[in-house]
Amino acid sequence: GAGVSQSPSNKVTEKGKDVELRCDPISGHTALYWYRQSLGQGLEFLIYFQGNSAPDKSGLPSDRFSAERTGGSVSTLTIQRTQQEDSAVYLCASRLIGHEQFFGPGTRLTVL
Amino acid sequence: AQSVTQPDIHITVSEGASLELRCNYSYGATPYLFWYVQSPGQGLQLLLKYFSGDTLVQGIKGFEAEFKRSQSSFNLRKPSVHWSDAAEYFCAVGVMDSSYKLIFGSGTRLLVRP
Repeated sequence: GAGVSQSPSNKVTEKGKDVELRCDPISGHTALYWYRQSLGQGLEFLIYFQGNSAPDKSGLPSDRFSAERTGGSVSTLTIQRTQQEDSAVYLCASRLIGHEQFFGPGTRLTVL
Repeated sequence: AQSVTQPDIHITVSEGASLELRCNYSYGATPYLFWYVQSPGQGLQLLLKYFSGDTLVQGIKGFEAEFKRSQSSFNLRKPSVHWSDAAEYFCAVGVMDSSYKLIFGSGTRLLVRP
């Protein structure tokens, strides 16, 4: 079956612009995660969605970052007023039962 | 606080040689532990996981790892490395709240000499 997909694969933007990153989880997976992979910070958790429960936003680095998950499936991570330090690879993962997370290929964001 | 340490940033081994990548964790309870591999430009692929039971776990691609509670370690091993194993390897601990979010180590980049 299809894995986790993310779009775009690459995004170049100018400082101060807003960007949206999309994640399509594996069909039927109820849990969805966003992580960020950057040179300075390594791989870090951003946000977690589970069904209709309130998301765990404890990893979001600032209020410029937000995410939503519509219909329990597709998720969008939005970064407002991008800064150069937002440049990173943004990874999405989904999980059904058990504890294994399946990762997408990521979106590489470059803020000029 | 939970944390994962991978003390080796880079490791170089010759093809056919054995491999051990180190991972130490800090966690208050019995951890859920994972090893992921990331090839250039790719996402993360799960190699193996430990939840409970037998402390020696087998994974894909001929990898294994051993959970040692007394040493807070979960080292990854492979008896004979192939050139295709060159990649970055991440150890992670799963946080056992309702999220099971992962806390990753900083990664070890494996280079394989022909």
